[in-house]
Amino acid sequence: QQPVQSPQAVILREGEDAVINCSSSKALYSVHWYRQKHGEAPVFLMILLKGGEQKGHEKISASFNEKKQQSSLYLTASQLSYSGTYFCGTESLNTPLVFGKGTRLSVIA
Amino acid sequence: EPEVTQTPSHQVTQMGQEVILRCVPISNHLYFYWYRQILGQKVEFLVSFYNNEISEKSEIFDDQFSVERPDGSNFTLKIRSTKLEDSAMYFCASRRGQANNQPQHFGDGTRLSIL
Repeated sequence: QQPVQSPQAVILREGEDAVINCSSSKALYSVHWYRQKHGEAPVFLMILLKGGEQKGHEKISASFNEKKQQSSLYLTASQLSYSGTYFCGTESLNTPLVFGKGTRLSVIA
Repeated sequence: EPEVTQTPSHQVTQMGQEVILRCVPISNHLYFYWYRQILGQKVEFLVSFYNNEISEKSEIFDDQFSVERPDGSNFTLKIRSTKLEDSAMYFCASRRGQANNQPQHFGDGTRLSIL
């Protein structure tokens, strides 16, 4: 069962912040975040493991609330290069990585 | 940095023809995957492969599809009799291990166009 992402799309001005959410109806072992630019392959951003950890990658960070089966991706002080579609992928017991429908992020000057 | 490579980058095929998409995973990776992405839609899991056999497959991966690791480096996806709805980007991915902290690394994809 695929995770649900919200919002579906967001437009930001450079320097603004955004939060992308990912939730699942299944107990999760891990959450993977990828960014895909138009016409390109998904690029790995980070993995979060059960245990409720938080990770950061420059100005992009994420949290994983295992009890709520939710993960959030935080983009701070957005740059033009952050534009793309962000996918969360979730893994559960005996199920392969399943991706959400994606959140299209557009950063404008 | 090692990467997953896919060939061809674009394949145009007549409906009903067979097509083989090729992938060279990262050399020390043990788990291999094929995904499909129809234009503008999400990335969909097709199949995972480990130890020379399919470990998981989705409903999309029907009898028209097959995967093979013919030698120590290539990992192929074959579509036996293509349909118009098979038109999509096909991504290969590989993963070093199955542990949850191991990311999947994606190739650049093959754009398959069925006429």
